[in-house]
Amino acid sequence: AQSVTQPDIHITVSEGASLELRCNYSYGATPYLFWYVQSPGQGLQLLLKYFSGDTLVQGIKGFEAEFKRSQSSFNLRKPSVHWSDAAEYFCAVGALRGNEKLTFGTGTRLTIIP
Amino acid sequence: EPEVTQTPSHQVTQMGQEVILRCVPISNHLYFYWYRQILGQKVEFLVSFYNNEISEKSEIFDDQFSVERPDGSNFTLKIRSTKLEDSAMYFCASRGPGEQIEAFFGQGTRLTVV
Repeated sequence: AQSVTQPDIHITVSEGASLELRCNYSYGATPYLFWYVQSPGQGLQLLLKYFSGDTLVQGIKGFEAEFKRSQSSFNLRKPSVHWSDAAEYFCAVGALRGNEKLTFGTGTRLTIIP
Repeated sequence: EPEVTQTPSHQVTQMGQEVILRCVPISNHLYFYWYRQILGQKVEFLVSFYNNEISEKSEIFDDQFSVERPDGSNFTLKIRSTKLEDSAMYFCASRGPGEQIEAFFGQGTRLTVV
């Protein structure tokens, strides 16, 4: 069965500092990987996705993520965070062939301090 | 930009009452999903729907739940007799055909059962 682990429940970083959010997945086939962001009381917004090709993918809002098959990881990074990046971040995996579902991690809450 | 819309944004209902959560997916999309997120927890898959029938459902999606696409545009989730533990944020998502791999999520309906 597919699963996603986000080992960090809560991360606090200073504004302007770099950020890395960890994501490890378990999936029996070639995974499609996603990062979604959820601001308080809001829906899920797609930050970026990976399904093939270059293992470093660029997303919106200056985020990037790197797929490492050997480590079963898809970590999210940003070189310099802004106060508006404070939110909950969810990693998800799914083949999305046919009608397959997404499986989400438990999320990482990001707090930005001035 | 096309988006998935959900109504209402917040619904309060008494235990035992029926509720219908409504979603309008993106117009050319073919695959439809409901997910839920209990407060403070991860996003969980409920059901997927394609070609006017359920493709997959989770253990959460018991006989109290049903989905329908009554008119080719709306996609509804009905909970026949709500329980306190049904209180959650419910997200509708849709996905396009073929190589359009990402799912687009609505803003969610917060259901509170009292």
